[in-house]
This record gives sequence, C-alpha cells and structure tokens, in this order.
Amino acid sequence: DIQMTQSPSSLSASVGDRVTITCRASQSISTYLNWYQQKAGKAPKLLIYAASSLQSGVPSRFSGSGSGTDFTLTISSLQPEDFATYYCQQSYSTPWTFGQGTKVEI
Amino acid sequence: QVQLQESGPGLVKSSETLSLTCTVSGGSISSYYWSWIRQPPGKGLEWIGYIYYSGSTDYNPSLKSRATISVDTSKNQFSLKLSSVTAADTAVYYCARVGWTNKYYFDYWGQGNLVTVSS
Repeated sequence: DIQMTQSPSSLSASVGDRVTITCRASQSISTYLNWYQQKAGKAPKLLIYAASSLQSGVPSRFSGSGSGTDFTLTISSLQPEDFATYYCQQSYSTPWTFGQGTKVEI
Repeated sequence: QVQLQESGPGLVKSSETLSLTCTVSGGSISSYYWSWIRQPPGKGLEWIGYIYYSGSTDYNPSLKSRATISVDTSKNQFSLKLSSVTAADTAVYYCARVGWTNKYYFDYWGQGNLVTVSS
C-alpha cells in the first residue's frame, strides 16, 4: 500500500494568514493526488484533484502543487469558513489511501 | 446536481453483516465508478472499495474479503455488505462517486451513515 503522510497534524492560524499543508507519498504517485476539506459532522468535500486542478465552485484562494512524492495545499488568505480538517488522497494505485489529516484551528 | 444518500441500520450486532445502500439521484449511475469510504469516530478516512456500473469491483485488502459491493442500475443504487463485523467496524460510512479527468477522485459524497457495532 502507498502510505500518505501529512504535516503538520494540526496548526493554529488567523484569518488572513497564508497556510501551507504538506503531503508526502511513500512512493512516486506522479500527480495522482487529491485534496479534501472536512468540517465537523460533514462529508469531505473535494478541493483539488490531480495535484493542482481546482474543483468547480472552490474558491481560488485554494491551490495545490507538487508531483512525485511531495505535494502542497496552500490557502492564500485564510477565511473563517476554512477552519476544518484537510486530507490528501492518492489514486495512483489501489488500495486508494488517505493522509491522516491536518486540522486547521483558530 | 448529483446527490447520494446512504440508508441502512445504525446498529449492527457483532459477528453479523452490515448492509448499506446508496441511492444516486440527479444523474445516472452508468459510466462511473462508485465507492464506499468509512471513518471511525475521531479518526481518518479509509477506502473500502469501488464498483463500476457494469459490475466490476476492487476492494481494500485490509478488509480481508469481508466486503462485497453490488450495483442495481435499474434503481440507480449500489450497496455494501460487510460480514463478521466487530467493534472496529464502528464508523461513519460514506458513499461517493468516483470522478475522472485522466485521474480518479471522489467528487460527490453522501452525508454519511453512522453504524455502531454492539456486542
């Protein structure tokens, strides 16, 4: 199985901050990397697919980059509605696997 | 707008079989892969498996062949059965559509169905 490791596990930030979350794969996955946002008690929501493609309807302050084993999700200016847990997920090979999550707190 | 809705018991006894159904509305189940994903309380996400509308499947080996996913295109539904459940199978179970633009991703999700395994 491909292991996905996110860092940090949690972070504290303020409205307006630039936030960066990192995801590392245990082997090269090209750009088969997706990012999701999950708010408490809700289903995950797709933000970024194929490492850098913004899902329709997602604000442009979210961006993704990377290829191979190292990937980054960036929120350019944190908004109150962005406080949530973020997960990366690889679709390079099954079993598809997720990172452990990064909780973004105030 | 595609919508997914899970349905099934919220309580299952240990050693029995968990059964859930996902109903797809606002679009056809055809021409897509459909997945089940679960999340134990307070923990991360685990992919269970997927089914193509034609019936081909793939599963997470971690479930040791306990999972079976089936599809009913006439009802626009797909289902999950997980046998021999234990307390470790207590989780919110999500159904999701597998979108594809050269690469796969989960683009539509159900709201989730909490299943508790009791002894």
